[in-house]
Amino acid sequence: GESVGLHLPTLSVQEGDNSIINCAYSNSASDYFIWYKQESGKGPQFIIDIRSNMDKRQGQRVTVLLNKTVKHLSLQIAATQPGDSAVYFCAEIWVGGNTPLVFGKGTRLSVIA
Amino acid sequence: GAGVSQSPRYKVAKRGQDVALRCDPISGHVSLFWYQQALGQGPEFLTYFQNEAQLDKSGLPSDRFFAERPEGSVSTLKIQRTQQEDSAVYLCASSLSRVNTEAFFGQGTRLTVV
Repeated sequence: GESVGLHLPTLSVQEGDNSIINCAYSNSASDYFIWYKQESGKGPQFIIDIRSNMDKRQGQRVTVLLNKTVKHLSLQIAATQPGDSAVYFCAEIWVGGNTPLVFGKGTRLSVIA
Repeated sequence: GAGVSQSPRYKVAKRGQDVALRCDPISGHVSLFWYQQALGQGPEFLTYFQNEAQLDKSGLPSDRFFAERPEGSVSTLKIQRTQQEDSAVYLCASSLSRVNTEAFFGQGTRLTVV
């Protein structure tokens, strides 16, 4: 399959531990922030989103935190599993802008069994 | 269909050759996006359709790149006179609307220009 994220920053986590993936964004006008997961040879897959007027949102084993003061977004994965190994991208949507769904730089998560 | 389908999965083109990449979005999805992903990079926006209308093509890197969605469903990304720097994975995504955060991506077409 296709190899994604060869030159991306890597986070190595022991299986069962919690993972925290960080992202800095630049557009303070963005209305939504989203996390996508991309496994090798596949397209990105939606994980969770958060509106700009929220600071925290929880899903199944995942939590997204938004700090608009410092333009920082994080994804927390609880009890990391081998299947979580992938490249994670943050993305944003500015409803009033022209370009939809802009992706940020990714982070490779490597789960050590 | 069950998801977004892209074809071909892999394409090798000689420099200077024209290529056409196809995207079949999820039925009923209004919005369709094309992205270019170089190795080790995030997806870079190319162009966006709302039904058959191409509302944003600001990401197309040159006039050699052309996209269409004539009936508001299937889309084709065409690259004329391919260059080595065009080598990348081309991703197509569809969603219910432009501001819908959950875009569904295809597996991509890996283009290699030799």
